[in-house]
Amino acid sequence: NAGVTQTPKFRILKIGQSMTLQCTQDMNHNYMYWYRQDPGMGLKLIYYSVGAGITDKGEVPNGYNVSRSTTEDFPLRLELAAPSQTSVYFCASSYSLGYQETQYFGPGTRLLVL
Amino acid sequence: LAKTTQPISMDSYEGQEVNITCSHNNIATNDYITWYQQFPSQGPRFIIQGYKTKVTNEVASLFIPADRKSSTLSLPRVSLSDTAVYYCLVGGGVDSNYQLIWGAGTKLIIKP
Repeated sequence: NAGVTQTPKFRILKIGQSMTLQCTQDMNHNYMYWYRQDPGMGLKLIYYSVGAGITDKGEVPNGYNVSRSTTEDFPLRLELAAPSQTSVYFCASSYSLGYQETQYFGPGTRLLVL
Repeated sequence: LAKTTQPISMDSYEGQEVNITCSHNNIATNDYITWYQQFPSQGPRFIIQGYKTKVTNEVASLFIPADRKSSTLSLPRVSLSDTAVYYCLVGGGVDSNYQLIWGAGTKLIIKP
């Protein structure tokens, strides 16, 4: 049981490049989330999904896109990388929404945009 | 959405009890209070959650007064491995659209 896995662990992008951050969970959780964490700050929700085919915006969605074709996978797409997107990105999953359920986090992807 | 206020940092010593207080004045009626722990280069990890009064598990206790405008995470007999950032979150209820707001957290440093 691997939990939540993320790839890559670290990536350097040039301004204007695009990339996809991968996230996979093997706990059969319906709900998945993408957060970003800037240095010394808490997490900010980018997008979340309540199930395959259903996604919704979080607090800071601009510059990102997501899709959810399967229960297990929730990739995050950066189309035109900007220096402001330099951050650590965490994917998380939970059995249901809100307070009742613990969110399980992946190890994070560190992204540097130059 | 309810915001939280926590001390930026705290120091303590091994074997001591550590209490971290979080202020959340505009907590909604159906919001819960949740604490997470984060080590460097790792994702956050759930510690404890509560709605009112006191909750205790194998690693911590959570004290919530009747007005629910604050809460206190209590870590008994800390060790060096408890050095981490601790986040207090409120939300997750229907009034918050089930979302959780993360503050900057409290950096706890345990000294030998």
